[in-house]
Amino acid sequence: DQQVKQNSPSLSVQEGRISILNCDYTNSMFDYFLWYKKYPAEGPTFLISISSIKDKNEDGRFTVFLNKSAKHLSLHIVPSQPGDSAVYFCAASLANQAGTALIFGKGTTLSVSS
Amino acid sequence: KAGVTQTPRYLIKTRGQQVTLSCSPISGHRSVSWYQQTPGQGLQFLFEYFSETQRNKGNFPGRFSGRQFSNSRSEMNVSTLELGDSALYLCASSLASGMNGYTFGSGTRLTVV
Repeated sequence: DQQVKQNSPSLSVQEGRISILNCDYTNSMFDYFLWYKKYPAEGPTFLISISSIKDKNEDGRFTVFLNKSAKHLSLHIVPSQPGDSAVYFCAASLANQAGTALIFGKGTTLSVSS
Repeated sequence: KAGVTQTPRYLIKTRGQQVTLSCSPISGHRSVSWYQQTPGQGLQFLFEYFSETQRNKGNFPGRFSGRQFSNSRSEMNVSTLELGDSALYLCASSLASGMNGYTFGSGTRLTVV
């Protein structure tokens, strides 16, 4: 059973516009959520995270929103740039005494056209 | 500072063989995690090591194993390779629990033929 879902495999946006990437989760025990960006032939790069006790975190052009009641989070990129074209992964963290595991969604491919 | 280094970058093995992949974390990072990325399943957690101890393990068969050395370098081993083990294997390191994000290496692309 997939605990973290990114239902849109792809998203196309024009340069300068807003990109909104969505993520849904099922496990209410997740305590931290993270977004990663991945280019081909490279490992994922950490973008931004949010604690489950917050509803918004902002870092430059990137903002993550968390709606706990809906078990939904989204990543907003404003303004979008061609260099943002990549695969974006949503991940949820489940920390316990034994350690931490990241549960990833399957990713959304963002294409930003100039 | 140097990032997470994974070797080798590419590997081709035959079914039934075993393989060992290596990961050198960022200096000072004590937590090392391994993930498998396949087109169908995305990124899946394999295991996490901290101070030479496996702290957490994902839902993979016992053919997948790992270890961490005193210098925090880690290896993962896959025995009796199957075609379905073909994937990108990613290693990630963090200072402790990685709440501010793990740093990933570029991965080892394993192809089983």
